[in-house]
Amino acid sequence: AQRVTQPEKLLSVFKGAPVELKCNYSYSGSPELFWYVQYSRQRLQLLLRHISRESIKGFTADLNKGETSFHLKKPFAQEEDSAMYYCALGASSYKLIFGSGTRLLVRP
Amino acid sequence: GAGVSQSPSNKVTEKGKDVELRCDPISGHTALYWYRQRLGQGLEFLIYFQGNSAPDKSGLPSDRFSAERTGESVSTLTIQRTQQEDSAVYLCASSLEVRGELFFGEGSRLTVL
Repeated sequence: AQRVTQPEKLLSVFKGAPVELKCNYSYSGSPELFWYVQYSRQRLQLLLRHISRESIKGFTADLNKGETSFHLKKPFAQEEDSAMYYCALGASSYKLIFGSGTRLLVRP
Repeated sequence: GAGVSQSPSNKVTEKGKDVELRCDPISGHTALYWYRQRLGQGLEFLIYFQGNSAPDKSGLPSDRFSAERTGESVSTLTIQRTQQEDSAVYLCASSLEVRGELFFGEGSRLTVL
């Protein structure tokens, strides 16, 4: 079955600390992975996608097919990074399967 | 408009009543999705429209749910005989291309009493 697992509902770190939001997926084919983010009182929006291999707002994510993971990382968290983060799997030709989300709280 | 527009933003209804939720996608976006998000849970795929192709309705949870889209414009999600478990935020998203970036609306929060 195609599935996305985000094991942490809440991740709390201090400003300046490293952040890693975990995402594991289950899919037998060649996946496309995405991270979407929802800041307070804003719409859900795309943060990054693995095929772009780019860094957005200091965040990076590497697809590890061996571990079926796509963890989101940032070396130094900022307060404005506080948000809800969703990992998503592009399994079929168009359907995105979302994880249950992780709330990141960056404390001053 | 500049983004995906959804209405109503909030809807409170009594169990057994029908509700209709509306989504106005970004102009030119051929793909349109409906997702449901229950409290504390992830986004649950409901239905997908792509141009004039037959929609993928595989995510609709029961025959009380239906959705329509006219061409590449407005879509409506209808829930008949609402139940308390239908309470959720219903999100609409549109995309310029298949597997492209999804642009989400602000959602319609449905509460069934």
